[in-house]
Amino acid sequence: DVKVTQSSRYLVKRTGEKVFLECVQDMDHENMFWYRQDPGLGLRLIYFSYDVKMKEKGDIPEGYSVSREKKERFSLILESASTNQTSMYLCASSPRTGRFTDTQYFGPGTRLTVL
Amino acid sequence: AQSVAQPEDQVNVAEGNPLTVKCTYSVSGNPYLFWYVQYPNRGLQFLLKYITGDNLVKGSYGFEAEFNKSQTSFHLKKPSALVSDSALYFCAVREVKAAGNKLTFGGGTRVLVKP
Repeated sequence: DVKVTQSSRYLVKRTGEKVFLECVQDMDHENMFWYRQDPGLGLRLIYFSYDVKMKEKGDIPEGYSVSREKKERFSLILESASTNQTSMYLCASSPRTGRFTDTQYFGPGTRLTVL
Repeated sequence: AQSVAQPEDQVNVAEGNPLTVKCTYSVSGNPYLFWYVQYPNRGLQFLLKYITGDNLVKGSYGFEAEFNKSQTSFHLKKPSALVSDSALYFCAVREVKAAGNKLTFGGGTRVLVKP
């Protein structure tokens, strides 16, 4: 089974803090994604990565950055956390080729509260 | 641009009755379509996908979905709902020719199955 893990289930930070959310997948997938989930808005893509050291902006990249130094790990960084970044953050991965390409596998999520 | 609409925020159904969760999409070319489910305090789980071929797609847990190109719809169905089907359901789309496998998600539909 594909396993995607996220470093924290719940996180509470203060406005202005730098926040790191970590995601690790164990299936050697090339593609990795960061989403935020808000009620009524569904999932919105923040950033994605096709390969190590490669990244592309999603639909709502403002206020976020990412890092992919190793294939299995994709980090989301909030440079200066703000209250409007309080949300559920979901990481996902998918293979680039093969019959399961296009199917994204999700981690359990990190619920971030910024006070 | 690709987009997805889930017109119902919540669907209530009695256990044993048929369940339908609606989804319509918009892409400029041919679509790949997906359904994901999120159980309480869990990450998203893949249910089924339409890539090509038969318009009726069967997936996990007895769910199926019908692709209707003329109506640009991909409704999720289950003939006999269970209380354990109560969850949040997301429809997603990707245009076949879009770069990478970036998905666009709908806002989600909460399903409540009552005993």
